[in-house]
Amino acid sequence: QVQLVESGGGVVQPGRSLRLSCAASGFTFSTYGMHWVRQTAGKGLEWVAIISYDVSHKYYADSVKGRFTISRDNSKNTLYLEMNSLRAEDTAVYYCAKRADGASNHFDSWGQGTLVTVSS
Amino acid sequence: EIMMTQSPATLSVSPGERATLSCRTSQSVSSNLAWYQQKPGQAPRLLIYDASTRATGIPARFSGSGSGTEFTLTISSLQSEDFAVYYCQQYNNWYTFGQGTKLEIK
Repeated sequence: QVQLVESGGGVVQPGRSLRLSCAASGFTFSTYGMHWVRQTAGKGLEWVAIISYDVSHKYYADSVKGRFTISRDNSKNTLYLEMNSLRAEDTAVYYCAKRADGASNHFDSWGQGTLVTVSS
Repeated sequence: EIMMTQSPATLSVSPGERATLSCRTSQSVSSNLAWYQQKPGQAPRLLIYDASTRATGIPARFSGSGSGTEFTLTISSLQSEDFAVYYCQQYNNWYTFGQGTKLEIK
C-alpha cells in the first residue's frame, strides 16, 4: 500500500535553512502530483506547495513563496522541500501528501509528518 | 482565498448516536470538497471526497452531502474509534482547510 515517510525536521534558528524529504513507496511515484502541507496548533492545516508529476509545474502558498522550493527525484521516489530564511511562524509539523487518482484534486494519502521548530 | 468555517468547534455525542458536522465555504466550491479524520499524533486520513464519495476502506456509517457552499459529514452510529478531529478541505480554488471539529465522547 501507499507509504510516505517524511524526514529532515528539527530545531533551526531563524534565518537558517532546512531540507525536508519524503520517501514514497507502494505506488508509481513518477505519475502523481505531490504536496506539502503543514499543521500548527494555532493556524491548523495549511497547504504549502504542489509539484506536478513531471516537475513541469510548481506552485506555492503566498506565505512561503520565494523562500521555499519544492522538488522531486522520480528516480529515487523522493519529494523534497527546501526551506530558506526560516521564521518562527514556519514552526509546524510538515506532511507530504499524494494527489488522488483521476480528475479529483483531493489528497488521498499522507505521511506521518516531521516537526520543524524555528527558534533561537 | 476561500475561507472555510466548520461548526461546531466541539461536538459531544454518545457512542451509538448520530453525529452531524458542518462545513461552509466563503464561495462556491461546487462538489470539490473532502473530509479528513485526524487522531492525536497521526496524519489526517481521507474519509470523503467530491463531497459525497467514500474513500477506499471507509465504513458506510460515514456519509457526506452538500454542494456549493454548504456541506455536511454524518456519522450514523458512532463507534469508539470515531472520536477524533474532523477537517473539511476545498480543492476547487487552490487548497484550504477548515479549523476542525473535535468529536468527543459525551
